[in-house]
Amino acid sequence: DGGITQSPKYLFRKEGQNVTLSCEQNLNHDAMYWYRQDPGQGLRLIYYSQIVNDFQKGDIAEGYSVSREKKESFPLTVTSAQKNPTAFYLCASSMQGANSPLHFGNGTRLTVT
Amino acid sequence: GENVEQHPSTLSVQEGDSAVIKCTYSDSASNYFPWYKQELGKRPQLIIDIRSNVGEKKDQRIAVTLNKTAKHFSLHITETQPEDSAVYFCAASDAGNMLTFGGGTRLMVKP
Repeated sequence: DGGITQSPKYLFRKEGQNVTLSCEQNLNHDAMYWYRQDPGQGLRLIYYSQIVNDFQKGDIAEGYSVSREKKESFPLTVTSAQKNPTAFYLCASSMQGANSPLHFGNGTRLTVT
Repeated sequence: GENVEQHPSTLSVQEGDSAVIKCTYSDSASNYFPWYKQELGKRPQLIIDIRSNVGEKKDQRIAVTLNKTAKHFSLHITETQPEDSAVYFCAASDAGNMLTFGGGTRLMVKP
């Protein structure tokens, strides 16, 4: 189902620790994205990757890092430098080319205390 | 960069009534406008989209209109049902396929 899997669904970490969120897709999509969703706000782009071994910063990349070593995988690391990391994180993928719909994963809710 | 504003932030309607959500965008080069529905605790899912060479598109009870001159587009839901209750997001995409999302509208359909 879905073709794009995020794990875990819920994640709890202590302040000062790095944490990595997993995103895997079997849709053969070239492009992958990470969004952050906060209550009452839209989806804000953290990082995106349009091809393996290449990625670009989105609007709110500070305190985050990514890698794209495989087409199927696009993990996101939330570092201790991210000042307000508690949020709902959504991974998405799309075909290459303009105007391709995004397919979202089910999200990971990260709580940092 | 692109800026997308969405109104209202919350909308409550009676079952059977129509609901309209409006979005404005700033970049005249934007050419793709999808709408996503996110039910509580679930992933956003594409419900309808429109491209800049089309003024209106319908899919059963859902329609989207686009006014390129005024740079706004709207989602229309007719004969609303309780299962339409969700958060709806509009978005605008430039030629590079980067989407900018609106802030979302929480639609509540009261039975």
